[in-house]
Amino acid sequence: AQSVTQLDSQVPVFEEAPVELRCNYSSSVSVYLFWYVQYPNQGLQLLLKYLSGSTLVKGINGFEAEFNKSQTSFHLRKPSVHISDTAEYFCAVSKQAGTALIFGKGTTLSVSS
Amino acid sequence: EAGVVQSPRYKIIEKKQPVAFWCNPISGHNTLYWYRQNLGQGPELLIRYENEEAVDDSQLPKDRFSAERLKGVDSTLKIQPAELGDSAVYLCASSLDREETQYFGPGTRLLVL
Repeated sequence: AQSVTQLDSQVPVFEEAPVELRCNYSSSVSVYLFWYVQYPNQGLQLLLKYLSGSTLVKGINGFEAEFNKSQTSFHLRKPSVHISDTAEYFCAVSKQAGTALIFGKGTTLSVSS
Repeated sequence: EAGVVQSPRYKIIEKKQPVAFWCNPISGHNTLYWYRQNLGQGPELLIRYENEEAVDDSQLPKDRFSAERLKGVDSTLKIQPAELGDSAVYLCASSLDREETQYFGPGTRLLVL
């Protein structure tokens, strides 16, 4: 069975600072990896995904993530955050297309000026 | 293109009452998912449909929860009777056949008093 651990429940940062949100996963098989963002009272929006190929994945809103198979990690990064990036971020895995996503508990990113 | 539509957005009921949630997936998406998101947690799958067939309902509490997807388009999730612990956000998602990306609706926030 797959599982996802988001290592930080809350990450406070100042505007224009870099940020990294950490995600580790556990699986005995190859998985697809995702990062979703959830703004208050809204559904989840896909930021980026890793399916195969290049381990550095670029997504929307300037975010990127790096897949590290040996570390079983998929950390999310942004070089300079904005106030509007304040939201809940979820890392998720699935073992194949069209099956359930297994989510971590989420990381709250709070950006202040 | 319209996204996943859910209604109602908010629902407050007393325990032991019935409640139903409705979801209309993105046009052409044959796979539909219902997730439950408890406060401070990531979403967890309740049931997954491929067209009108429920192919994964192992996490659905069948004593009180039921779901249907007649005609393989929109879907209804029902709880009867509701319990205090059912207070959560119920998210609907959809995807194309054999497509790994799931698109989420805004969710229905349920409060059971």
